[in-house]
Amino acid sequence: GAVVSQHPSRVICKSGTSVKIECRSLDFQATTMFWYRQFPKQSLMLMATSNEGSKATYEQGVEKDKFLINHASLTLSTLTVTSAHPEDSSFYICSSRPSSGNTIYFGEGSWLTVV
Amino acid sequence: GIQVEQSPPDLILQEGANSTLRCNFSDSVNNLQWFHQNPWGQLINLFYIPSGTKQNGRLSATTVATERYSLLYISSSQTTDSGVYFCAVNFGNEKLTFGTGTRLTIIP
Repeated sequence: GAVVSQHPSRVICKSGTSVKIECRSLDFQATTMFWYRQFPKQSLMLMATSNEGSKATYEQGVEKDKFLINHASLTLSTLTVTSAHPEDSSFYICSSRPSSGNTIYFGEGSWLTVV
Repeated sequence: GIQVEQSPPDLILQEGANSTLRCNFSDSVNNLQWFHQNPWGQLINLFYIPSGTKQNGRLSATTVATERYSLLYISSSQTTDSGVYFCAVNFGNEKLTFGTGTRLTIIP
């Protein structure tokens, strides 16, 4: 079964509104989660590292005020796309790794369409 | 930063054929994983393989860390194997750098 779960799987929002995406680790505690973005027919690019109890670390070129990340518990990280624009339309996916083991697991991903 | 290149970028095969996908990386890595991304976008772990060879059914993978490449073999392809295959590497933390991907299409 899924080790990391993401919600919603698909969301359509109007330009200028905000949308929140949740990433949950189902049977392990995740002090760190990662958020990736994937544009159509492209590879996945890391956006930010979500750290439980502290500020997220953003990759170069990613606007921290636009992509708000909150990691308030050991099983939940959220990504909020604020003031969304059509160019933010993309596939967003999170990942985490149990402390025991080497395999990194991904959520199901979230398709965001901004109209 | 590290560069991860995959080849071929696109591959179209008849059902039942075998294929080899390649992943080249530009620096030493601690971790290498192969993923299959299905048409719905979900990433499915295939192998954790920083070195050596592993097999799982019709799939197998080999990583030669000293030469900075990994190969994914798919035998007796099925239509359900279609999708995009990514390799991804990291250096001991969980921040993955993904390769450019190989889009595999299996024709019945």
